[in-house]
Amino acid sequence: NAGVTQTPKFRVLKTGQSMTLLCAQDMNHEYMYWYRQDPGMGLRLIHYSVGEGTTAKGEVPDGYNVSRLKKQNFLLGLESAAPSQTSVYFCASSFPRGQPQHFGDGTRLSIL
Amino acid sequence: SQQGEEDPQALSIQEGENATMNCSYKTSINNLQWYRQNSGRGLVHLILIRSNEREKHSGRLRVTLDTSKKSSSLLITASRAADTASYFCATDAGGTSGSRLTFGEGTQLTVNP
Repeated sequence: NAGVTQTPKFRVLKTGQSMTLLCAQDMNHEYMYWYRQDPGMGLRLIHYSVGEGTTAKGEVPDGYNVSRLKKQNFLLGLESAAPSQTSVYFCASSFPRGQPQHFGDGTRLSIL
Repeated sequence: SQQGEEDPQALSIQEGENATMNCSYKTSINNLQWYRQNSGRGLVHLILIRSNEREKHSGRLRVTLDTSKKSSSLLITASRAADTASYFCATDAGGTSGSRLTFGEGTQLTVNP
């Protein structure tokens, strides 16, 4: 019973490099989300998806892109990494209509 | 901007004592949820209270909601060292928001053995 799995768990990038974070869930959830968590702050929503093939912007979408080609996967891309994107990234999934969200254990990303 | 604001930012108590954390929010909500985050881990859902509910219990957890004051509190009774974690409230505005949650900055709870 894996729940929400995020890969990789850690990554160090140089400014300007690109990368993709992968989130996979096995709970048949319709909704998926990407958040970032910075020290002393709560989670901030980057992008989210309410179903396969759909995505929408959250609170802090600039510098990120997402894709939801399969229901179980939600990808977060950084096209040109910047030091301001150093953060811990969390993926979550849920059933619709105000149901609790299930979180992965995060990807710790450092950009030098 | 953060919808929820938690108070206090940090709380240190002895094992066996009760811990109370408060959350205030600004706009109308469909429900309010509390999550726990252990160091280095993801968030774990604790309890959900809907806007038409005033109090909810789950084991040693008690949550209250006052929509007139736009506030909620989480009470952990008979705390244990294993309760040491950060606790976050999150509000769901419902409607067309796609079940988006807006999180507060969290309360860091330390329970000393």
